[in-house]
Formats: sequence, C-alpha cells, structure tokens
Amino acid sequence: SAVISQKPSRDICQRGTSLTIQCQVDSQVTMMFWYRQQPGQSLTLIATANQGSEATYESGFVIDKFPISRPNLTFSTLTVSNMSPEDSSIYLCSVWGATSASSTDTQYFGPGTRLTVL
Amino acid sequence: QKEVEQNSGPLSVPEGAIASLNCTYSDRGSQSFFWYRQYSGKSPELIMFIYSNGDKEDGRFTAQLNKASQYVSLLIRDSQPSDSATYLCAVRGGGSYIPTFGRGTSLIVHP
Repeated sequence: SAVISQKPSRDICQRGTSLTIQCQVDSQVTMMFWYRQQPGQSLTLIATANQGSEATYESGFVIDKFPISRPNLTFSTLTVSNMSPEDSSIYLCSVWGATSASSTDTQYFGPGTRLTVL
Repeated sequence: QKEVEQNSGPLSVPEGAIASLNCTYSDRGSQSFFWYRQYSGKSPELIMFIYSNGDKEDGRFTAQLNKASQYVSLLIRDSQPSDSATYLCAVRGGGSYIPTFGRGTSLIVHP
C-alpha cells in the first residue's frame, strides 16, 4: 500500500493569489496524479506528474494555471495560480501501488486539500 | 470521450437491507473496474475491483460485471449506517493507468 500526505489540508485564499499544494508519498513511484473534485462532482484528472519530465495535462487544464513540480520519486507540488472562486475545490494527489492482498495495482488517494477562494 | 454513468441518488435503504449500486460505461475496451467509497469530507478508498465477467465477493460486498451490457454493479448486503457514503465507480482501459470516474451514488442507510 501507499501512504500519502498532503499539505495544507485546507486553505482560504483571496482572488488573484496562488497556492502551492504539497504531496508526499512514503514510497518511490513513477507517476503521481493530481485530481480536482468540485462539490457534488466526481474526480477530474488535472495532470500526471512524472519525475524528470514535464507534466502531462488533461484537456481543459494548462501549465500556466496549474504548474506542477516533481523533483523526486516521492514528492510533487501543484500550484493553483491566479485563483478565482471557480477554483474552490478539493485537490487530491494520487498514486498507484500494489496491495498486500493482490499483485494488481490499485489507486491510492491523499487526504485532499480543501481550497476556498473568496 | 469515455463516459461512466452513475445515478447520483441518494439511494436510501433500511439497515439490514441489500443496497444495489449501478454503473454503466461507454468504452467497450475497458478492462478494469473499481468501486471506491468516499465518506463526506474524506478521500476515496478502494473497496472492490473486478476484471472478469461475473461476480466477485468480498465480505458483505459483491461486484458484478457484465461486459456485453457494459455495466458493473456493487451489492452491499446487510447494509449498516456506517455504509452511508458516496460510492464512485471507476473504469480503466487496457494499458492505461488513468481511470475514468463516475459522479458517484450517494447511499444512505437509515436505522
């Protein structure tokens, strides 16, 4: 299994500012994933972060708005830039890892960062 | 565009009953199917995965997959109030680590 921590757990920010969210995993992983979950909605993948290369962004998400760093195999950051109230959401970091009960990879999620933009 | 559809609910069942949660998907090439439970204010946690047609049982949970009809379901037997949560269905195609998530079904188990 994988244990994931995120910081901050929540924040309230002013419009136009930026927030950097940190994600730490207790084991080395090749890919880390950043999701957004807006109220009442499902998980939307923002980007995939690979160590040593540029992040891959999904349709509707751009690097200028959501820059990502991946300096090593256990850590990543997501920055939400020039925030607006529409960015209010829960941001989740995720990795895939093996379980003790199965050799099949399963997906693990961090506890999330609850962001409110005023 | 890969789509995963779930009834948003809420699905309300009495304690001790069977809760049936359904999910349909659009991509016929999908090979892996997951059910996550998400308590309010918490992150999703995996409770079941299934790859082959038929049923897979784990304790009170049974996942059912029908690839021909493109649906996957989750049955929860002897439902408990602690089962009250949102259940997310996720579907993954072959060779991809990236699943598509449904919007989730809210389940309420009342005493």
